[in-house]
Amino acid sequence: DAEITQSPRHKITETGRQVTLACHQTWNHNNMFWYRQDLGHGLRLIHYSYGVQDTNKGEVSDGYSVSRSNTEDLPLTLESAASSQTSVYFCASSETGTASPKDTQYFGPGTRLTVL
Amino acid sequence: QKEVEQNSGPLSVPEGAIASLNCTYSDRGSQSFFWYRQYSGKSPELIMSIYSNGDKEDGRFTAQLNKASQYVSLLIRDSQPSDSATYLCAVERGSTLGRLYFGRGTQLTVWP
Repeated sequence: DAEITQSPRHKITETGRQVTLACHQTWNHNNMFWYRQDLGHGLRLIHYSYGVQDTNKGEVSDGYSVSRSNTEDLPLTLESAASSQTSVYFCASSETGTASPKDTQYFGPGTRLTVL
Repeated sequence: QKEVEQNSGPLSVPEGAIASLNCTYSDRGSQSFFWYRQYSGKSPELIMSIYSNGDKEDGRFTAQLNKASQYVSLLIRDSQPSDSATYLCAVERGSTLGRLYFGRGTQLTVWP
């Protein structure tokens, strides 16, 4: 069955280290998204991509980067981890952007990141 | 004004009652509307999507959309304890197709 996976599921790191969170989907979806979820803030968009070589900043992109070299993967990199980046991170994907059911976003299981 | 606002909750209803969850959005050009359910410690999962004015029913769930009032709601009939979760409203703007804007969610508790 097609799916979307994230790894690792849990990560503890230290301030200043570079961290990369992986997201892999097997639906062949064009669109991929990274969100963070914190109490009181809901889901906030970090970066997103509409296809290979395309990346866009979301509302909370500072300190994060992404690259899209193939359809299946959108890794999220924290360049120099900060305690403020302690959060739960969700990856999502959708087929297209056509104001139709194809725009439904399907979420991965999440990665819980703790920055000490 | 936030893009998407939901009634703050938490909402608590007895088993068998109707739970009503509300959402308003700011962009009149919004095209698509989604309700997601999120259990504690889990990822959001789609319950309903709606694209045109009126009601859309799926089992115990009914989504209602009123574009003139920029309002979308989710009714859960015959609420069950297993419906206890946080419900997220998401809106797709016409100017940024593919990108969803999420509300902060409403926490629902159904007590037996």
